[in-house]
Amino acid sequence: GESVGLHLPTLSVQEGDNSIINCAYSNSASDYFIWYKQESGKGPQFIIDIRSNMDKRQGQRVTVLLNKTVKHLSLQIAATQPGDSAVYFCAENRRRGGGTSYGKLTFGQGTILTVHP
Amino acid sequence: GAGVSQSPRYKVAKRGQDVALRCDPISGHVSLFWYQQALGQGPEFLTYFQNEAQLDKSGLPSDRFFAERPEGSVSTLKIQRTQQEDSAVYLCASSPGMTSGFSEETQYFGPGTRLLVL
Repeated sequence: GESVGLHLPTLSVQEGDNSIINCAYSNSASDYFIWYKQESGKGPQFIIDIRSNMDKRQGQRVTVLLNKTVKHLSLQIAATQPGDSAVYFCAENRRRGGGTSYGKLTFGQGTILTVHP
Repeated sequence: GAGVSQSPRYKVAKRGQDVALRCDPISGHVSLFWYQQALGQGPEFLTYFQNEAQLDKSGLPSDRFFAERPEGSVSTLKIQRTQQEDSAVYLCASSPGMTSGFSEETQYFGPGTRLLVL
C-alpha cells in the first residue's frame, strides 16, 4: 500500500555534528512533504516543508532535500544541539483527487534523534 | 497567541466506559484534524472538519468513535465503550484554512490527550 516510512529508527550524534534523517515515500503522486519534531509529551512541531516542484529548501539550521526519482526525503540539521533531541517524522500531505485539497497528513514511523553533549 | 489546547491531558478509563476528549483550536482556524498516535508510531488521521462540517471521517476505526464541532470552533472526540486497543495519544491539529490551497497549510498540533484503557 501507499506509505511514508523511515530508513533508520534511531540516530545518535555528538553535539555540534550535522545530522541527517532519511525518509522514503511510495506514493509518486505525493506533492507536498513536511518534517515534524516531536518531544516527549508534546505534539508534533512543524520544522520545514517542501513542495514536489522543489528539490531543496533551507531554513534555520535545517535543510530538506527531495529526490523524486527515488522517492526519498531527507532532513539535515546543522550543528546539532542537545535541544534537537526528539523524534522526527516526515509526513505526506496528500491531495484528494479531483476535489478540494484539505491537508490530511500521512506520517512515517519516526526517527529518534539523540544528541550527546 | 495561544496555540492548540487539549483536555484532559491524561485520561484513565475502565474498559467499557465512555470518554470525551476536547480540542480548542487556534482562534479563527477553519480546519481541524484529529489524529491517533500509538506508542512508538507516527500519528494516524482520524477525521477532519472544515468549520462545523465533518468532511472526512474515513480514519475513525469503528462506530464507537464520534467527533463533533457544532459551532465550528471547539471539537470533541468521543469514544464509546472503550477497549484496550483504544489506548493511545489523541492529537488535535488546526490550520487557517483561508486559502484555496488548504493542503499546503501548516497544521499546528496540540499537546495531545494520553488515553489509557484498563
